[in-house]
Amino acid sequence: DAGVIQSPRHEVTEMGQEVTLRCKPISGHDYLFWYRQTMMRGLELLIYFNNNVPIDDSGMPEDRFSAKMPNASFSTLKIQPSEPRDSAVYFCASSLARGTGFHNEQFFGPGTRLTVL
Amino acid sequence: LAKTTQPISMDSYEGQEVNITCSHNNIATNDYITWYQQFPSQGPRFIIQGYKTKVTNEVASLFIPADRKSSTLSLPRVSLSDTAVYYCLVGDGNTGGFKTIFGAGTRLFVKA
Repeated sequence: DAGVIQSPRHEVTEMGQEVTLRCKPISGHDYLFWYRQTMMRGLELLIYFNNNVPIDDSGMPEDRFSAKMPNASFSTLKIQPSEPRDSAVYFCASSLARGTGFHNEQFFGPGTRLTVL
Repeated sequence: LAKTTQPISMDSYEGQEVNITCSHNNIATNDYITWYQQFPSQGPRFIIQGYKTKVTNEVASLFIPADRKSSTLSLPRVSLSDTAVYYCLVGDGNTGGFKTIFGAGTRLFVKA
């Protein structure tokens, strides 16, 4: 398996522009997560989906951020308009729910490094 | 979700055993303890998880005392490639532990 695939790997844009980050989870996984990592705030969970349905978006910082999962093999995280403080590494992760009573391992992608000028 | 506290950083030498302790005083009955490892420029990677006593796999051991208010990740005979950030997470086993909170982690630096 190719693992979680994210694109682009690097994105440089100017303030005010729309940014779309893409993720392809591991085939067969039913949970998908979006995280943001910065030096100041560490690794933050933004939103996660179960079977393409958003379950918890309480970590989404502002209305400028939106995430969709139109099918089991694709998700997007969109920032519109982007601001310099959105500069971070954005990770996508997926997981297969093997049950409850324990933590279901998450598999992370390589991340997208976003720079907003 | 229980808050976790770990040392910010640790140094070690190749070949030594490294023990990283995590405090989670408010851990709930159904919470599981999970550790992830993150190398520079990569996403975190699952290492090990446990509920109580001791768990061992090919990478590490996890020691959890009876009161479960702390846990210790043990890395045997570390090498330079073990230099990474190690995160301790406490998650709700009832819900599969999906709502994860990564703290600041412990930055381990292994020297030759």
